[in-house]
Amino acid sequence: EVQLVESGGGLVQPGGSLRLSCAASGFTVSSNYMSWVRQTPGKGLEWVSIIYSGGSTYYADSVKGRFTISRDNSKNMLWLQMNSLKAEDTALYYCARSIVAAPTNEDYFDYWGQGTLVTVSS
Amino acid sequence: DIQMTQSPSSLSASLGDRVTITCRASQSISSYLNWYQQKPGTAPKVLIYAASTLQTGVPSRFSGSASGTDFTLTISSLQPEDFATYYCQQSYSGRTFGQGTKVEIK
Repeated sequence: EVQLVESGGGLVQPGGSLRLSCAASGFTVSSNYMSWVRQTPGKGLEWVSIIYSGGSTYYADSVKGRFTISRDNSKNMLWLQMNSLKAEDTALYYCARSIVAAPTNEDYFDYWGQGTLVTVSS
Repeated sequence: DIQMTQSPSSLSASLGDRVTITCRASQSISSYLNWYQQKPGTAPKVLIYAASTLQTGVPSRFSGSASGTDFTLTISSLQPEDFATYYCQQSYSGRTFGQGTKVEIK
C-alpha cells in the first residue's frame, strides 16, 4: 500500500528555516516524480517544487532560491529545506507522488500525504 | 510561468443538476491538464487526467474536455457526495493549479 507521511512542520519566525520530511512506503521515491504542494488555510493549492526520477529539480517562482527539494534513496524519503521563510509561506505542506500516464507522458498527482502545517510568525 | 484561470470560483447547484467548471491556460499546454476534487480536511483526489481520461474508480458522471487552451470539467448529474472544491492543474511546464471552484448545495 502506498503511503506518504509528512513531518517537520511547526512555528518559525520570519527569516528562519525549517526542514520538512516525507516518509514514503509501498513504492520507491527515486523511481517517481515527487512534489511538494502547499495550501494556505481556507485557500487554494499551490505547487512548490518537484524532483524528477532522473534527479532534476524545479521550483515555483515564489520559493526559488529559498527552498531546496531533495531525496534520500536509502531511506526512501523526500525533503524540503525551507530558508528565509516569510509570512506568506504559512500553509499546510503536502508531499505528493506523480504517476506518468502512458503513452503520452502526461503526469498527475495520484497519492498525497496528510500534510504538515508550517506557520511563519513572530 | 503558465497561469491557470478557473471559473467560476463558486457555484450553487441542486442534486441532479449538470455542472460545468472551466479552466483556461495562459498558453498552450496540449492535453497536460488534470482535475482534482478536494473535500474539507482531506487531500485532493484526481478525477480526470490528460484532459479527458477518467481515473479508475471515478464515477462516469464526471467527464473532461478540451478546446485549445480551454478545458472543461462536467458533472452530468450532481450527487450529494460531489459537493466539494474542484481544481484544475497543468503539468506541461512546472505545475500550476487553478484557483478552485467550490460547489455548494442550492
